[in-house]
Amino acid sequence: DAGVIQSPRHEVTEMGQEVTLRCKPISGHNSLFWYRQTMMRGLELLIYFNNNVPIDDSGMPEDRFSAKMPNASFSTLKIQPSEPRDSAVYFCASSSQGNTEAFFGQGTRLTVV
Amino acid sequence: GENVEQHPSTLSVQEGDSAVIKCTYSDSASNYFPWYKQELGKRPQLIIDIRSNVGEKKDQRIAVTLNKTAKHFSLHITETQPEDSAVYFCAASMPGGSYIPTFGRGTSLIVHP
Repeated sequence: DAGVIQSPRHEVTEMGQEVTLRCKPISGHNSLFWYRQTMMRGLELLIYFNNNVPIDDSGMPEDRFSAKMPNASFSTLKIQPSEPRDSAVYFCASSSQGNTEAFFGQGTRLTVV
Repeated sequence: GENVEQHPSTLSVQEGDSAVIKCTYSDSASNYFPWYKQELGKRPQLIIDIRSNVGEKKDQRIAVTLNKTAKHFSLHITETQPEDSAVYFCAASMPGGSYIPTFGRGTSLIVHP
């Protein structure tokens, strides 16, 4: 398996634009996590899906952020409209039921100017 | 929810010295404690983990200790090498569908040759 795949690797966008980050979890994994990493806050959990269902989205900072998981092999994190303070590295991770290790994707470095 | 504190935020050692990173957690229900290593520009990757029924675990130059009563756990790296330089994250998680790791803020370890 190629591991968790995220796209794009880098995204530069202007304030106010919509940004969509994509993630393909490891095949067979049924838990998916979106994290945001910044120097100030470290690794923050944004949302957690189990069997494609959002279980905990308490970490989503505000209504501008939304996430979907239409099927077991794909998830998106959308920011609309984007703001400069959203600049960060966004990681997607997946794990299998009852297994404990979370496998991270390479991350998407988002810059909002 | 769970809160994980990690210290120090930066740690500078000479090659061959030992390095110790300490974490505390708040929720006594947490029973799984992984450590991740993140090299510059790369994804976090699991290096060692420990469960609550064990007090210590070793893997070559790396060891982790857990004190459930005090709710703290530590990472010990002996005979450090320059390639150990990275950011290290501790995490705590609890059972219930899937293990959602709550991460500490990270420790930047620098090993000087």
